Parts: sequence; C-alpha cells; structure tokens
Amino acid sequence: DSGVTQTPKHLITATGQRVTLRCSPRSGDLSVYWYQQSLDQGLQFLIQYYNGEERAKGNILERFSAQQFPDLHSELNLSSLELGDSALYFCASRDRDFYGYTFGSGTRLTVV
Amino acid sequence: GEDVEQSLFLSVREGDSSVINCTYTDSSSTYLYWYKQEPGAGLQLLTYIFSNMDMKQDQRLTVLLNKKDKHLSLRIADTQTGDSAIYFCAESMGSGYALNFGKGTSLLVTP
Repeated sequence: DSGVTQTPKHLITATGQRVTLRCSPRSGDLSVYWYQQSLDQGLQFLIQYYNGEERAKGNILERFSAQQFPDLHSELNLSSLELGDSALYFCASRDRDFYGYTFGSGTRLTVV
Repeated sequence: GEDVEQSLFLSVREGDSSVINCTYTDSSSTYLYWYKQEPGAGLQLLTYIFSNMDMKQDQRLTVLLNKKDKHLSLRIADTQTGDSAIYFCAESMGSGYALNFGKGTSLLVTP
C-alpha cells in the first residue's frame, strides 16, 4: 500500500456518460497530480493541485475537470465520455520534503 | 513537455545484469527518476538522481547520468524473474513540477 488511495479500481461506463474518480493523497501531502496511461499515448500528465489550488495543467481535455477539497482529497471528473478515454488514471502525491512522487494503484476506466 | 525516449523491450537471462537506457531533451530537467510498473499495479519509485550528480547506487540498482548527452541509464545487477516489469524513465524541471515520462521499457527476465 503506497498510501495514495484511488477509488474505484475499475469503472465501466457508456459513451456520453460522466464519471468521477477519487484520490486521497498520502497523509500530510499537499500536492496531487493526475495522469492518464493509455497504450498509444503512454503516461500523460493531466493536472496538478496544491493545497486546494490548481497549480499546473498538462494535456487535459476540456471535457475533463478536477478539484481538490479542503481535506486534500481530489476528484477527477470526466464527461461526455468517448471510447478513446478508456485508460488507466493514476493520481500521485508528493511530500514537500522528499523528491519522489508516490502513485496510487490507479482506476481502470473502460468506455463501451 | 519534451520527449523522453526509451527502447521498448529488453530481454535478459536470470542472473545477468540489465541496462535500461533513456534519453531526455529538456536541458532544464533537474531531477530524473526511474519507476517500475508490474502488471495490473501502480508505479513504484525505484530511485531518482539530481542533475548535478553523475551516479547513484542503491543496492542492486545503479543510475548513471550523462548530462552532456542527456542520457540516463538504470543498471540492475543480478537480475531476477521478479524484476520483469515495465520501467519508466521520467524527468522533472524542479521540485513540485509534474513528471514527464518516457513510454517505458518492458523488461523480460528468463530463467
């Protein structure tokens, strides 16, 4: 157990639907990073939050959004889902005193 | 970000050394990382190196950094079947910045 918790582990949904993925960072970590892993694109950075505020954006589609709540958990919202959104979605957190990033075990999203 | 390049596959025999190579193009990268991903699992941090270092050793793992050529390598000594996994090289421009990953090298260790 890395200490970063992601739920659900698996999600199957239909095209056009909306889903919410949840991430709880390690205790005390203020930063949350979301990544998408697909076979063709590899690991792509989506968005970063630090202590409730958006800090950086990567290759995140406009149909996707995220937020970080006061208790530091984060949610990634994916809407108007397309088949190509099927992927593994990871979140990671980082200790301010440590240079490594700790990843959760991911949410596997399948859009049918 | 800039591209991080890795070879896609490597096959070695158990007990041999494995060397996984990575090239990066962003000269402003400050930290470089190696992560391991086993089937169905998340990413596990193996080691990292600061750009002002040229080598780091941690048990069976040795990381070499050639900053002039922007080349990073991970050597695994006495490779075991349990080392079979995908290994990702990643760069970061600095503390707190997001990681930019390569596409991963799939390591197969045969008995």
